[in-house]
Amino acid sequence: QITLKESGPTLVKPTQTLTLTCTFSGFSLSTSGVGVAWIRQPPGKALEWLALIAWDDDKRYSPSLKSRLTITKDTSKNQVVLTMTNMDPVDTATYYCAHSGWLGHFDYWGQGTLVTVSS
Amino acid sequence: EIVLTQSPGTLSLSPGERATLSCRASQSVSSSYLAWYQQKPGQAPRLLIYGASSRATGIPDRFSGSGSGTDFTLTISRLEPEDFAVYYCQQYGSSPAYTFGQGTKLEIK
Repeated sequence: QITLKESGPTLVKPTQTLTLTCTFSGFSLSTSGVGVAWIRQPPGKALEWLALIAWDDDKRYSPSLKSRLTITKDTSKNQVVLTMTNMDPVDTATYYCAHSGWLGHFDYWGQGTLVTVSS
Repeated sequence: EIVLTQSPGTLSLSPGERATLSCRASQSVSSSYLAWYQQKPGQAPRLLIYGASSRATGIPDRFSGSGSGTDFTLTISRLEPEDFAVYYCQQYGSSPAYTFGQGTKLEIK
């Protein structure tokens, strides 16, 4: 059974760096074809894909946010970490991590964590 | 950059009716890489359809997906009360690697 759970701060100040951790179970990020993505959703708005890291350490980033994002994995700990620099109030959102397979869809999602950016 | 445009923005229907939701891509999308999700308030999205027409595990057969190229459709044959939610399409492929549509809200009439 695949599960994912996001953790990190609920409140960050403008200009700070956000670090979020996705801890998962039920699969290995060293298995061919597997990836873990980060997706966010501002309150009342649509989903926005941020980044994905694949089993072979291939990393993909949203072009509009690429300069601010870093995604890494720790296969031994079953964790994926996303850092986002220079946070702004417009980055206030629920941040989800999700499991992805070969076909690029997200079949398992974490519950999400709401991050508020405010001074 | 591939942009996915969903229509209508809001769809008002009654239980028992048929719902047809559209997702149009700005460039051709491989059918293998088009998915649909359902999201209810306060919940994470749930995968409904992948590969444009394959139902995910546990999804009732009243949900079906179709389409190719730039035009894709999610159909709910007979609406149940629990189907009223927001629906998103998503593609994987060209840069950016993943994009979502802006969503269609299916509300009770």
